Order: sequence, then C-alpha cells, then structure tokens
Amino acid sequence: EIVLTQSPGTLSLSPGERATLSCRASQTIAGNSLAWYQQKPGQPPRLLIYGASSGATGIPARFSGGGSGTDFTLIISSLEPEDFAVYYCQHYVSSPLAFGGGTKVEIK
Amino acid sequence: EVQLLESGGGLVQPGGSLRLSCAASGFTFSSYGMSWVRQAPGKGLEWVSVISGSGTTTYYADSLKGRFTISRDNSKNTLYLQMNSLRGEDTAIYYCAKAIKYCGGECSTYFDYWGQGALVTVSS
Repeated sequence: EIVLTQSPGTLSLSPGERATLSCRASQTIAGNSLAWYQQKPGQPPRLLIYGASSGATGIPARFSGGGSGTDFTLIISSLEPEDFAVYYCQHYVSSPLAFGGGTKVEIK
Repeated sequence: EVQLLESGGGLVQPGGSLRLSCAASGFTFSSYGMSWVRQAPGKGLEWVSVISGSGTTTYYADSLKGRFTISRDNSKNTLYLQMNSLRGEDTAIYYCAKAIKYCGGECSTYFDYWGQGALVTVSS
C-alpha cells in the first residue's frame, strides 16, 4: 500500500507569489501515476494534473507538475486570488488508490 | 456535459445501513469505471471503492472491512454504494467520481469528473 505525504500542511503566500507544493510517496510511483486536484470550500475536487506533469483540460498554464520516483511537486507560478484552496495528490499505481493529506494555500 | 448527481444521504444511527446512488449523464456510462471518495468534516479526501465499467471488478479501501459494497446498473446509468454497520467515523460527504478509463482488470485510475457529494451523518 502506497502512502502519500504532502508538505507543507499550510502555505501562506500573497497573490503573485510562486507556490511550491510537495507530495512524497512511501514507494516508487510507477509510470508517474500521480494526479493533483484542487478543492475549494463547499466544492468537489477538480482535476489539475495527471501523469505527474500533464495538465487537465482547461487548467491554466500557471499550474505545472513535476517529479518522479517518490518525490513530486505542484507549482503555481504566480498565484491568482482564485488559487487559494486546498490541493491534494493522488496515486493510481494500483489499488488501494490513495490521496495525500492535502496542502492548504492561504492568503498571507 | 458530464453530470454526476448523488442522492440517498442523511442521518442514520450507528449500526444502521444506507444506500447512496449516483445518477450519471453526459457520457457513455458503461464505458468508464466509477468510484466513491469520501471526506469527513474538515478532513482530507479518502478513497473508498472503485468499480469497472462492466461492474465485474471491484476494489475497496482496506479500512472498510467488507461493510461497504459498490455496484452499478448500466441500464439506469447509476452507481450505488451500500453501506452497512455504519459507525460515527463514517460520517462524511460521499462523492462519486468518474474514472478516466473503462477499468478492466486492475482499476488504477484518476478521476476527471466529480459529483457535488452526499452528506452521510452517523449519530444517535
């Protein structure tokens, strides 16, 4: 069973700043089978990134994903007001599927 | 437009049962795996279960220990989650989510569409 650990738990930044979120896996994520989601209060999650680095349909270019093996990152190059939310990573190597604990990006 | 609409949530006593439904539209339902993901109040996402497009293959989170059963009726474009022996820690919003593929044998998938969720509260 693969466990995902996200850090930091909370990221306090200002609009326009760069956000770097981390997702570390307890074992190698084969095939870069990692996705990122954004969730705002009262809403379901929204798919941002799949395959560790491919942007989902309609996702702005300021969102990018990277990494391989056990260490992955989500970068928001310049925070817009609507980007303040909670972000989750999810592996899909094999069942059981799992999500990380989330990183909250809040306005500083 | 893909739409997923959960129903069947509510208040149930500990030890009770509840069945959630998820009505799907806007895509060929039988061609995609489907999943349930839950979120306890103020907590993160927890994957619950996934089912293949045909309904013949299912997987569950280990923590559920056989209390939950996922199923689907492709003639009705509907996904189900039967929850038995409910506990306080099962209190959560339950989301249905569409997989990005059919899911034949191994259903290793991420999710491109999510419903708005159904709230399940387990309390006496």
